[in-house]
Amino acid sequence: GAVVSQHPSWVICKSGTSVKIECRSLDFQATTMFWYRQFPKQSLMLMATSNEGSKATYEQGVEKDKFLINHASLTLSTLTVTSAHPEDSSFYICSARDQGGDEKLFFGSGTQLSVL
Amino acid sequence: RKEVEQDPGPFNVPEGATVAFNCTYSNSASQSFFWYRQDCRKEPKLLMSVYSSGNEDGRFTAQLNRASQYISLLIRDSKLSDSATYLCVVRSTGFQKLVFGTGTRLLVSP
Repeated sequence: GAVVSQHPSWVICKSGTSVKIECRSLDFQATTMFWYRQFPKQSLMLMATSNEGSKATYEQGVEKDKFLINHASLTLSTLTVTSAHPEDSSFYICSARDQGGDEKLFFGSGTQLSVL
Repeated sequence: RKEVEQDPGPFNVPEGATVAFNCTYSNSASQSFFWYRQDCRKEPKLLMSVYSSGNEDGRFTAQLNRASQYISLLIRDSKLSDSATYLCVVRSTGFQKLVFGTGTRLLVSP
């Protein structure tokens, strides 16, 4: 089946630093990828929709200057958390839709971000 | 009101029990419905899609009631490995994004 690789799986950083998370579709092309955030015991919340070759679409309340998304190719989207603060500590998950596939989404394995 | 609502649980059941989860959604334009399973600190994995006619996959049965905007998941003969959080997921027509419920936690004990 289709595979989405997300890296890193775990990152600990100091407050004020920036962290980049990569999401790759390994065996299919994805014009659209999605970035979610999940706080403990809460649901996955969509942060933004990443579109290959164009600007990402952010959900209401998500700061686009803080969460930079780049989708420069059909197999790679990156999320950069700029000037991270402890309140940004969360589980970040990407998903991708096979360009030629059905309505199923394939998820990355997630990134646990801890900001000290 | 949340767009997708679920009882967070936890549901504690013994092995072999039958357990049912419910989910309601507020957007009447929603067209696609799914149940996902998520283990702690892991990505969600698709368990099954939900169709208007109801559908079954082994020990799992999903049903949709559009009039009541209600989705259910029934698990028969629970296994220890069924312990997880079950997410109700909804997508509206014309939109690619999915809306996740908060999930219902299931704990199956020996």
